[in-house]
Amino acid sequence: NAGVTQTPKFRVLKTGQSMTLLCAQDMNHEYMYWYRQDPGMGLRLIHYSVGEGTTAKGEVPDGYNVSRLKKQNFLLGLESAAPSQTSVYFCASSYQGISGANVLTFGAGSRLTVL
Amino acid sequence: AQRVTQPEKLLSVFKGAPVELKCNYSYSGSPELFWYVQYSRQRLQLLLRHISRESIKGFTADLNKGETSFHLKKPFAQEEDSAMYYCALRNNAGNMLTFGGGTRLMVKP
Repeated sequence: NAGVTQTPKFRVLKTGQSMTLLCAQDMNHEYMYWYRQDPGMGLRLIHYSVGEGTTAKGEVPDGYNVSRLKKQNFLLGLESAAPSQTSVYFCASSYQGISGANVLTFGAGSRLTVL
Repeated sequence: AQRVTQPEKLLSVFKGAPVELKCNYSYSGSPELFWYVQYSRQRLQLLLRHISRESIKGFTADLNKGETSFHLKKPFAQEEDSAMYYCALRNNAGNMLTFGGGTRLMVKP
């Protein structure tokens, strides 16, 4: 049982390049999330999805786009990468909304560097 | 807007000493709080949640609504407790968690 899988694990981009991070979960979870982790700032929510075909903005959505065409996949796209987007990106999922027993399952993270 | 504050970025203690990782929150609704932990080279994972009133790996956390705090405590720290700890607050709709900035705990031998 793989849980939450993120690809790629590492990537170096030049300013202006585009890329897509893929998150896949095999737990039949409805909710999926993309966070970025920066030193001293904890995890900040970029975008999230409460089901296939739906997405919503989180705390820091600017410069990112997402898609949830299939229930098991949640893609995070950077159309024109900027150095400020250098970060570690975490995908997470939950069965339903976060409450009680429904907690987040995290992926291993994707380290992105934008030069 | 909801907010979670962890005032200490780094907490260093000796093995066997008591540990308290501070977490304060601001929220207008009924709060539901969690502690997540990230050990070196491992994924972020749930440590405990306030509604369960449980003790996990010797850690406990009590929600104090008057002081809007949810501090994480352990009476005797172990070296294997060294990790990054995040306090998190759920919103009313249950569709997102707001995380604090994190506290790195280092337990020295």
